[in-house]
Amino acid sequence: GAVVSQHPSRVICKSGTSVKIECRSLDFQATTMFWYRQFPKKSLMLMATSNEGSKATYEQGVEKDKFLINHASLTLSTLTVTSAHPEDSSFYICSAREQFGEKLFFGSGTQLSVL
Amino acid sequence: EDQVTQSPEALRLQEGESSSLNCSYTVSGLRGLFWYRQDPGKGPEFLFTLYSAGEEKEKERLKATLTKKESFLHITAPKPEDSATYLCAVLSGNTGKLIFGQGTTLQVKP
Repeated sequence: GAVVSQHPSRVICKSGTSVKIECRSLDFQATTMFWYRQFPKKSLMLMATSNEGSKATYEQGVEKDKFLINHASLTLSTLTVTSAHPEDSSFYICSAREQFGEKLFFGSGTQLSVL
Repeated sequence: EDQVTQSPEALRLQEGESSSLNCSYTVSGLRGLFWYRQDPGKGPEFLFTLYSAGEEKEKERLKATLTKKESFLHITAPKPEDSATYLCAVLSGNTGKLIFGQGTTLQVKP
């Protein structure tokens, strides 16, 4: 199956700093990528939909100025958590949809801990 | 409103004890129902896609079925390595979004 690489897998940062998470589709082109957030023992919550070359579409309640998403190419999307605070600590997962299919393939996730 | 509900929330089985996980859904314009496996600290791993009622798919000890209102993931003679959280998701034709259930955490004891 298709491979989606997410980096870093774990990051610890101080409150007030910004953190960038990268998501790459390694063997296919992804015109659409998605960013999810997952709390412990909870399901995945869609944060935003990212389309290559255009602005991301954010879900209701997700602050677009805090969670900056850039999808500059068909294989790379980034999520930047700006001025992170402890309440932003969570597991963030990206996914990419095949260009001509319905399947979503997921990255391995990033555990963010804000001290 | 599009919604996915999975049951049970947690399931403990003895090795070899077969069982089924349920996924009930309401969605506007189903484009597909997906099953994923998620291990702790990892992203979801794709298992199956089902598109229409009556469809069935199998992979090793797992079999997924679909009706107009729900899907089942049957696990036959499970092994400890099948222990994981199983997620069900539906792709809405109206919104284009993949909506997840809360998952069933399966523990298989040797």
